[in-house]
Amino acid sequence: EVQLVESGGGLVQPGRSLRLSCAASGFTFDDYAMHWVRQAPGKGLEWVSGINWNSGSIAYAESVEGRFTISRDNAKNSLYLQMNSLRAEDTAFYYCAKDISWRDWLRGVDYWGQGTLVTVSS
Amino acid sequence: NFMLTQPHSVSDSPGKTVTISCTRSSGSIASNYVQWYQQRPGSSPTTVIYEDSQRPSGVPDRFSGSIDTSSNSASLTISGLKTEDAADYYCQSYDGSNPCVFGGGTKLTVL
Repeated sequence: EVQLVESGGGLVQPGRSLRLSCAASGFTFDDYAMHWVRQAPGKGLEWVSGINWNSGSIAYAESVEGRFTISRDNAKNSLYLQMNSLRAEDTAFYYCAKDISWRDWLRGVDYWGQGTLVTVSS
Repeated sequence: NFMLTQPHSVSDSPGKTVTISCTRSSGSIASNYVQWYQQRPGSSPTTVIYEDSQRPSGVPDRFSGSIDTSSNSASLTISGLKTEDAADYYCQSYDGSNPCVFGGGTKLTVL
């Protein structure tokens, strides 16, 4: 059974940093690209960032480019999102998600984590 | 950049069939696969359709997906509506410049 478990969310002041983690199990982690997707309270889904299976290709949404960094550790079956210079508008549930395609670039999601809430407020 | 446009809301009664559309603003809908996600209140999203029309294991065959190149749109059809189908539904696709684009979401109400 595929499981994606996010951690690291919480309350943080504007301008500060936070690092999210996602522990993956139930599939061969280093065969698949991974995504971070967020959802502000009461709003729709917004793609944040994606990384391919070997970290050779990475992409970001314009809204986070230059502030957020995605990474993965295939030996630990883990995905990360380093979030710097946080803003109030970054407040959202952050979901870790597994891509559909085997050893391909980003196409879509087949499994989602339960999410971790990040609140940016003074 | 392209956009995916969905109706804000749809509704129908139990047992009926409902279709949710997803129109791509530029580029062909057939060029890149479309996925559909269901999000029930208070829960994380789940995938109900991938690669235009494929159902993950465990998703009932009441859910089906299709694309229509004449309207440059994708559709999610749910037949035999059940109260448990009430949720927000999102379409998603991509292209070479945009790795992941979501539609704005459609709220399905089962009356």
